[in-house]
Order: sequence, then structure tokens, then C-alpha cells
Amino acid sequence: EAGVAQSPRYKIIEKRQSVAFWCNPISGHATLYWYQQILGQGPKLLIQFQNNGVVDDSQLPKDRFSAERLKGVDSTLKIQPAKLEDSAVYLCASSRRTDNEQFFGPGTRLTVL
Amino acid sequence: SQKIEQNSEALNIQEGKTATLTCNYTNYSPAYLQWYRQDPGRGPVFLLLIRENEKEKRKERLKVTFDTTLKQSLFHITASQPADSATYLCALDRYNNNDMRFGAGTRLTVKP
Repeated sequence: EAGVAQSPRYKIIEKRQSVAFWCNPISGHATLYWYQQILGQGPKLLIQFQNNGVVDDSQLPKDRFSAERLKGVDSTLKIQPAKLEDSAVYLCASSRRTDNEQFFGPGTRLTVL
Repeated sequence: SQKIEQNSEALNIQEGKTATLTCNYTNYSPAYLQWYRQDPGRGPVFLLLIRENEKEKRKERLKVTFDTTLKQSLFHITASQPADSATYLCALDRYNNNDMRFGAGTRLTVKP
């Protein structure tokens, strides 16, 4: 089966600009996750979707980050406006259900200058 | 506050030995725990999942234990190989509360 797809793979922006990331999960996976991974740290959960509903966004900085999952399939994560501390790898993962193994995409490396 | 600690940032061992990685947690009651492997520039890859009512799980050269009294999981790689060199992450979650948390990871280097 095809894996989790993410785009773009790399993005460089100036602070205060906006950026969007896209994720296509594995077909049939109901649960989708967005993580932020800063260099040297483990992934930090930003938001978790079950189909197209949000089940956990407690660590999402909602003043600047937003995410949606269109029709319970693809998802986009947006940052507006970006700050220097948002420089990180943004990982998307999907799973059949919440207590299952997660399949991760390759990530998007964001650099904010 | 919730805390997940992995024993050390880096672990160096000789090929053929058993690598043991530790994941400790506080202020958290996970329903299950997962271990992932991450190579540089790539997303994590799932290795093993163990639930709160399970003491031990094995898969080929991998073994994981889960002690909810000690609030600790141990991850073992037996007969380690240079190809096992990577960062290993533990992740905890709770049913229904949907509170997935990852540790910072331990970078394992297996020397030939």
C-alpha cells in the first residue's frame, strides 16, 4: 500500500509570512495526526483527527496554527503568521484507529528566517 | 505536569551485544506504549506496541516490557547490528483521552 504523502518536503519563509502543509494519509486510515519535531526532540502532537473531527488539539497554538481534514481524507496545516521558533519538521501520520500503530510521512522541514 | 524520559540521549554498544533502552514516565497513566525507530531525515517507523495489561512483547530480535507500577518500559535489541543504529522513540497514549506523547528519543550507535 502507498505510504503517507506530504508536501512540500522543504520550505523556507520569512517571519510573519504564512505557510501551508499538505498530507495525504494511507487509504482507509480514520485517524490522522500532525506533529512538530524540533531538532533533538521527540515529535510533539499538534492535532489529531478522527475522520474529519478533531479529537485533540490541546497543544496547537491556535492563535497562529490551524488545521483541517477535508472529507475525512487529506489534511492541511497552516501557520499564519510564522515565527522563528516555528522552524521544525512537521510530520503527518495516520493509523486505522487511535490505538494502532502510526504510519508517518517523510515530513516537511520548515525554516523561518 | 506529564513527563516522559528516555534514559540517555546517546547509547554506544558493540555489535552482537544487547542494547537496552529505557522509557520512564510521571504524572501519566498510559493505556498503551509504542516504540518507534527514526533515521536521520525520515519519519518514525513503528516497531512494537504493548498495552497496559501486557508485561512483555517480542518481535524477532526486539523485546519490550511494560511495568505500570514502576512507570517504566524497557526496550531490548538482542544481537545488535550496525544497521540498528538509529534514534529510538517511546510514545504513550491513553484510550479516549487521546493524549499521545513522545519521549525525546535515545540515539543508539552499534559499532562493528
